[in-house]
Amino acid sequence: GNSVTQMEGPVTLSEEAFLTINCTYTATGYPSLFWYVQYPGEGLQLLLKATKADDKGSNKGFEATYRKETTSFHLEKGSVQVSDSAVYFCALKGAGGTSYGKLTFGQGTILTVHP
Amino acid sequence: DAGVIQSPRHEVTEMGQEVTLRCKPISGHNSLFWYRQTMMRGLELLIYFNNNVPIDDSGMPEDRFSAKMPNASFSTLKIQPSEPRDSAVYFCASGLEHLYEQYFGPGTRLTVT
Repeated sequence: GNSVTQMEGPVTLSEEAFLTINCTYTATGYPSLFWYVQYPGEGLQLLLKATKADDKGSNKGFEATYRKETTSFHLEKGSVQVSDSAVYFCALKGAGGTSYGKLTFGQGTILTVHP
Repeated sequence: DAGVIQSPRHEVTEMGQEVTLRCKPISGHNSLFWYRQTMMRGLELLIYFNNNVPIDDSGMPEDRFSAKMPNASFSTLKIQPSEPRDSAVYFCASGLEHLYEQYFGPGTRLTVT
């Protein structure tokens, strides 16, 4: 079956540091890949997505590239801010057939950014 | 658009009591998902519906949990009887079958004492 593995957290950084959160997946065919973010006290919201190999998703300074050869979708940001403190979830939608919109989520990575 | 609406936002109840969580999905969405989030187990998919029909309830922890979707604009998740280990944040999300994004509600924080 499909699965998503994220680097374990928590991740603690100083403001303006470079961020990488690793995500690898297991799936057949060509899944679609996502990063969701959950700010304190809120539900998850879509941060970025990529639907085919070599696509780069980007939003709010965050980027992730769909790497089929390494089955990875690592999240990066060049300079984090305190407001980026949140939980980040990598997710995939399986290829082929209908999944009714179901996503497979990773376990989440807590990011804390200090001033 | 008001987004996904969940009620109540917070619920505190005693062990053995019945708890009903409610969700109103975004108008026009045809898929609805119920999740549970805890520190120990992370985010778990409990059940999801498509066009008001339950598709997969394999994530429902036990018979004490049940979910219904009587129409396209309303769903409930019921726990009867509740237990302290049910304490968690319960999220409802909706989406369109052929699209990829799920829209999450603000969650219901359930505390069972």
